[in-house]
Amino acid sequence: LAKTTQPISMDSYEGQEVNITCSHNNIATNDYITWYQQFPSQGPRFIIQGYKTKVTNEVASLFIPADRKSSTLSLPRVSLSDTAVYYCLVGDMNRDDKIIFGKGTRLHILP
Amino acid sequence: SAVISQKPSRDICQRGTSLTIQCQVDSQVTMMFWYRQQPGQSLTLIATANQGSEATYESGFVIDKFPISRPNLTFSTLTVSNLSPEDSSIYLCSVDTTRDSQYFGPGTRLTVL
Repeated sequence: LAKTTQPISMDSYEGQEVNITCSHNNIATNDYITWYQQFPSQGPRFIIQGYKTKVTNEVASLFIPADRKSSTLSLPRVSLSDTAVYYCLVGDMNRDDKIIFGKGTRLHILP
Repeated sequence: SAVISQKPSRDICQRGTSLTIQCQVDSQVTMMFWYRQQPGQSLTLIATANQGSEATYESGFVIDKFPISRPNLTFSTLTVSNLSPEDSSIYLCSVDTTRDSQYFGPGTRLTVL
């Protein structure tokens, strides 16, 4: 399992776009990049997953450069309710693989 | 997707006792996972529970302290034995359904006095 490195915390303001970057220098060929969101007192929730280039869904976008050694989660026009911890995980989705969580990024949205 | 429920949602226990946490999924899944999340910390994987086989424990976790049952494809229990205040944490179960992602239960908040 590739190790990931993220900023420990970030602050932003309502209405801004927030970009959280994750470094995963040892990513393997079969590894996918997955982001989870965790609100206080709740279990983590899947946000988005990608392998390369760009993935977009109704919640976020995920940008992955060609070398795949990093990825950026982009949250458009954040609101106070986006205050949460965001985890970047890297793993092989083609086999039964346990998920190992890093420390995550604690995002705090200010009014 | 999968809907996961856990019981109890929270409990306060005395030192030396045990607590069994139940995890119920609304669909059949091969793999279930148990995590611990200590206050202000990230999640730590305790063990992987497959139906019909012994659970696989991560380094630092042993079966005597955290016995796990997996009687069928929709249910699992985690027991935290011989409780001490250091065991105060949130315990979460998760399942791997489509292999695209894992789904997590709401967690069980354990406080040991």
